Amino acid sequence: EVQLVESGGGLIQPGGSLRLSCAASGFTVSSNYMTWVRQAPGKGLEWVSVIYSGGTTYYADSVKGRFTISRDNSKNTLYLQMNSLRAEDTAVYYCVRGIYGSGTYYHAFDIWGQGTMVTVSS
Amino acid sequence: QTVVTQEPSFSVSPGGTVTLTCGLSSGSVSTGYYPSWYQQTPGQAPRTLIYSTNTRSSGVPDRFSGSILGNKAALTITGAQADDESDYYCVLYMGSGIWVFGGGTKLTVL
Repeated sequence: EVQLVESGGGLIQPGGSLRLSCAASGFTVSSNYMTWVRQAPGKGLEWVSVIYSGGTTYYADSVKGRFTISRDNSKNTLYLQMNSLRAEDTAVYYCVRGIYGSGTYYHAFDIWGQGTMVTVSS
Repeated sequence: QTVVTQEPSFSVSPGGTVTLTCGLSSGSVSTGYYPSWYQQTPGQAPRTLIYSTNTRSSGVPDRFSGSILGNKAALTITGAQADDESDYYCVLYMGSGIWVFGGGTKLTVL
């Protein structure tokens, strides 16, 4: 079964760091492009970051310079290292697979994890 | 700052048809933005409905369809059912590895 399971969320003080993990099963993370999408309480979805199969990464302006997306191919796991956390980073963070097939990027998302909650508060 | 616009709320009667739209604060949405649509019920992860403008994701019933209408992307639900009551989000691909979500539309079926 194709599945994504996030972990690593929790309560963290402003200015602190946290690393989220996303364990994939049923497919290979390194062969796909993988993203993080977040949702603040009662708010809409916000795209955060992407890592392509070749390793190229991109970030939303709101997290650039503070967050780092990476993966461990041996563990088939995606990560999001979050530094200098702010109250406005409080959200459920979803790990999401990008849609790719037959050499074509569809620039959309298909498999979503269940999300992990990050709360930034003193 | 690119803003993707959606109707904040919409209402449809059971069995009725509703079209939700996804626009840009400046400019027109075209297929080149690869518009995609997601459904989310409270407390759940989003579910992918439509990608690449009009391709239904696996398992999505054909009463959900996507298109470009005028200068916006559109999601049409034909024969609305009670369990279609959800939040619907569109997202546009801006190029260079950047996506922007719309604010979402809360659909009520009553």
